[in-house]
Amino acid sequence: KNEVEQSPQNLTAQEGEFITINCSYSVGISALHWLQQHPGGGIVSLFMLSSGKKKHGRLIATINIQEKHSSLHITASHPRDSAVYICAVKGMDSNYQLIWGAGTKLIIKP
Amino acid sequence: SAVISQKPSRDICQRGTSLTIQCQVDSQVTMMFWYRQQPGQSLTLIATANQGSEATYESGFVIDKFPISRPNLTFSTLTVSNMSPEDSSIYLCSCLGEWDEQFFGPGTRLTVL
Repeated sequence: KNEVEQSPQNLTAQEGEFITINCSYSVGISALHWLQQHPGGGIVSLFMLSSGKKKHGRLIATINIQEKHSSLHITASHPRDSAVYICAVKGMDSNYQLIWGAGTKLIIKP
Repeated sequence: SAVISQKPSRDICQRGTSLTIQCQVDSQVTMMFWYRQQPGQSLTLIATANQGSEATYESGFVIDKFPISRPNLTFSTLTVSNMSPEDSSIYLCSCLGEWDEQFFGPGTRLTVL
């Protein structure tokens, strides 16, 4: 079993739909990252969470430490949101090493 | 936040040659990292680039294959030596921000023929 699991692996939705991507982890963590990778390969850090909820524009990230679960939500989705969304956690015993989820490939159709 | 640029953005290289990838950060940072992402895979940490000393390599990666330089707090290079098709990947430079946020460069897409 992977230490960081994301679901779904692939998601196709229509423009305007509310999107949820889930991340579950099995280790104790000090922080959880949500990142976005576009087809060209570059990665953008969206959120770093250690508790609660963060919002940036149409993106919302939540984390439940007790349940070891985080969600990334996209409201009013748009084709430009199409990308791979990656969850990565920093373990309690880790200085810098991140444990990476496999990513969720999101396609938003116009 | 930190803005990272990488050069080249992509390259196609012949087997047996070497390629040096440059990473420039727009501010001084303590921690810089190099990652590899093979096709369809998650990111794998290659090494931590230490300023003023040798890089710290992760298991499975060695200095002879991936020599790294870190001459100052804003710049690092990664060389992929004696390349083979298995080295075809995206190579990403990363740094830690002031509050432990992790920033990534745009990546270098390498294809080895």
